[in-house]
Amino acid sequence: AQSVTQPDIHITVSEGASLELRCNYSYGATPYLFWYVQSPGQGLQLLLKYFSGDTLVQGIKGFEAEFKRSQSSFNLRKPSVHWSDAAEYFCAVAPPGNNRKLIWGLGTSLAVNP
Amino acid sequence: GAGVSQSPSNKVTEKGKDVELRCDPISGHTALYWYRQSLGQGLEFLIYFQGNSAPDKSGLPSDRFSAERTGGSVSTLTIQRTQQEDSAVYLCASTIGGSTDTQYFGPGTRLTVL
Repeated sequence: AQSVTQPDIHITVSEGASLELRCNYSYGATPYLFWYVQSPGQGLQLLLKYFSGDTLVQGIKGFEAEFKRSQSSFNLRKPSVHWSDAAEYFCAVAPPGNNRKLIWGLGTSLAVNP
Repeated sequence: GAGVSQSPSNKVTEKGKDVELRCDPISGHTALYWYRQSLGQGLEFLIYFQGNSAPDKSGLPSDRFSAERTGGSVSTLTIQRTQQEDSAVYLCASTIGGSTDTQYFGPGTRLTVL
């Protein structure tokens, strides 16, 4: 079945440490790929998206993500985490040929230790 | 308004009662989505409106759920004969076009069914 997997339910990092959140998808062709963040008390916000071209995508708040076709992955990274990055992170895909709705991962909860 | 608004922000109801949740999308956005987010879960797609096209209702979990969008703008999600398993946060999002465009989310309505 077509799916989006975020293997890590919860991650804790220290402030200033690097971060990588994993996302894998299961589709025959490359879908459109997204990362959204849900901060406490705030609505969901788009961090970045990938449609085609350069496989390294830059987003807001210092985040980036790399699309790897061979691994069907779209992992989110940040070189140095700030306490304000503590939030829920969702990976989502728009399946090829389906321009109507996104398929969402279950999310990764990020905690940041001071 | 600058963003997507939803009302009420919180709704507590008794089992068996009907509830209506409202979403005001960003002006000019043609597409509108409803999602359900249960505790510790990802986003569950409910329904999608795009312009004057017939809505995609494929995500509605039962016939107790319905939604309408009047005048291509405001949308109302109605849940009839609410059950305890309907307790969740209901999120609305709008986009300029299809799902590959950035989705702008409202703050959500937290529904609690007693």
